[in-house]
Amino acid sequence: QVQLVQSGAEVKKPGASVKVSCKASGYTLTDYFMHWVRQVPGQGLEWMGSINTRSGGTGYAHKFQGRVTMTTDTSISTAYMELNTLKFDDTAVYYCARGWPPLPTLTNHYMDVWGKGTTVTVSS
Amino acid sequence: DIQMTQSPSTLSASVGDRVTITCRASLSIGPWLAWYQQKPGEALNLLIYKASNLQSGVPSRFSGSGSGTEFTLTISSLQPDDFAIYYCQHYSSYSLTFGGGTKVEIE
Repeated sequence: QVQLVQSGAEVKKPGASVKVSCKASGYTLTDYFMHWVRQVPGQGLEWMGSINTRSGGTGYAHKFQGRVTMTTDTSISTAYMELNTLKFDDTAVYYCARGWPPLPTLTNHYMDVWGKGTTVTVSS
Repeated sequence: DIQMTQSPSTLSASVGDRVTITCRASLSIGPWLAWYQQKPGEALNLLIYKASNLQSGVPSRFSGSGSGTEFTLTISSLQPDDFAIYYCQHYSSYSLTFGGGTKVEIE
């Protein structure tokens, strides 16, 4: 079945970087956008950005521009989200989610399949 | 940025109740709204897309309506499996914004 399997929990110090992976199975990675969403403890959901897995083109929320990089390794059907210069308030659960409808549609995506999330804790 | 406001933030209800959650957009967003269900430790579950379209596999007791700036998610007869947090989401070329969530808890 279609699923997204994310990497395990991370603990990082302020100023460090974290790279979260999201392995797609049950479908072809490059047929869909991949989105990244985070959830700070006790708060709601926040869209970080997305990647066109076919072209590699990315779009990031203003809040994260300059600090986030989204990439893919299509040979292993995996998407990545790297967040740099971590701060205490980056402590959150980070989710990957498949965008629907599939490519070549470039806009108006909702998310039809989600990973279970990766907990990133920023602590000194 | 378009802001999405959900109400109520918490809702207490009993099994069998009809439940309605509202989501308001700060600007007209047409039909570009989705609803998701979140349970602890599980992946988020898409319920409704394009305001009123039921995602495949989602029970028919869930329904969505609205357009423009006001939208609703209705659960016609609340089941034990429905106690969860529900989020609306606006999606467009330039913005994907979530509402603050509505926790549906047992009364």
